[in-house]
Amino acid sequence: DAKTTQPNSMESNEEEPVHLPCNHSTISGTDYIHWYRQLPSQGPEYVIHGLTSNVNNRMASLAIAEDRKSSTLILHRATLRDAAVYYCILRRDNYGQNFVFGPGTRLSVLP
Amino acid sequence: NAGVMQNPRHLVRRRGQEARLRCSPMKGHSHVYWYRQLPEEGLKFMVYLQKENIIDESGMPKERFSAEFPKEGPSILRIQQVVRGDSAAYFCASSPTGNEKLFFGSGTQLSVL
Repeated sequence: DAKTTQPNSMESNEEEPVHLPCNHSTISGTDYIHWYRQLPSQGPEYVIHGLTSNVNNRMASLAIAEDRKSSTLILHRATLRDAAVYYCILRRDNYGQNFVFGPGTRLSVLP
Repeated sequence: NAGVMQNPRHLVRRRGQEARLRCSPMKGHSHVYWYRQLPEEGLKFMVYLQKENIIDESGMPKERFSAEFPKEGPSILRIQQVVRGDSAAYFCASSPTGNEKLFFGSGTQLSVL
């Protein structure tokens, strides 16, 4: 599986935008970029995913670099409930692929 | 549509006992993944199953651990002769096919005394 690199931790102030970066320089053409997050004492939850174009949903936006070697998860207005570990994962669109989680970025949101 | 259900939520076992963790995937999902998470660590993939088949068990310890996903009923992760190092949170996830997003359960916290 292609590897991803994320900062160990980040801080944000409440109500401000948060940009969570992810580097994936060895990404291949069929790798989708997935983001999950894990709130304290809970299972991970899906946030967003994309292939080449930027994506928006009710939770977040995903900005993908033109060369696809990096991406950024954007939370437009951080709330205290967004404090979690955010995982960036590459997943080949093949049957039988498992999801490999790295250490992720621990986001702290300050009131 | 109920989410992924894991039970029990907490399981306490003494060293040498067996632990059985159950996972009922979301309705219509035939793919199940098991992950283990030690305190303050990331999720470690264990096994990926489809109904009655093990697709990838590259993350499963070679001894004492086994998993199944029968045609009927939940997926079971079985740990025989538990040791203290097995204490962890075990998460199950399901997806409708093999290449869509995952839906996770709330996990089973296994404590080995």
